[in-house]
Amino acid sequence: NAGVTQTPKFRVLKTGQSMTLLCAQDMNHEYMYWYRQDPGMGLRLIHYSVGEGTTAKGEVPDGYNVSRLKKQNFLLGLESAAPSQTSVYFCASSDRAGSYNEQFFGPGTRLTVL
Amino acid sequence: GNSVTQMEGPVTLSEEAFLTINCTYTATGYPSLFWYVQYPGEGLQLLLKATKADDKGSNKGFEATYRKETTSFHLEKGSVQVSDSAVYFCAQFMDTGRRALTFGSGTRLQVQP
Repeated sequence: NAGVTQTPKFRVLKTGQSMTLLCAQDMNHEYMYWYRQDPGMGLRLIHYSVGEGTTAKGEVPDGYNVSRLKKQNFLLGLESAAPSQTSVYFCASSDRAGSYNEQFFGPGTRLTVL
Repeated sequence: GNSVTQMEGPVTLSEEAFLTINCTYTATGYPSLFWYVQYPGEGLQLLLKATKADDKGSNKGFEATYRKETTSFHLEKGSVQVSDSAVYFCAQFMDTGRRALTFGSGTRLQVQP
């Protein structure tokens, strides 16, 4: 099993450009999450999904959109990138959203917006 | 709202030293508590967890006890190794509302030989 994979690993964008980050999991998990990690702030939840075809807003959703067309994939889109979106983005998945259900994280995507 | 506060880093220790990383939480209810570890260039991995008061989570020589009276979940290890150098995140999870992890800011540990 590959677990949770993310593409790309690194990306540099110019302000106003768009891009899509792809997260894929092969564990048949229902729940998937997108977080961003900024220095001194830990990880903050952007959007999440409780199953195929569903999405919901997290703590910091502005400027991002997501889609979960297939159970194994969770896409994070930036329609018009801004320097404030420079961050490391982590995807995670879990079997269910409960205290007993471990979240498994991908290796991250480092995004720089100039 | 729910939040997690960790001690500032970096924490620099010599090999075989005793480690404590403090973590306190605020929550409207009784969350589950977690420690995640992030090794350089990698994603987060679950290190240990505790789901109710007085539970002790343990793994790889690390321990943490869920203290409801002090709203704390401090991470400890009796003898650290160079391979323990990483960033450690404390987190909480509530089974209501958004049902997602709330993380602390992370504490970088550097262990010197």
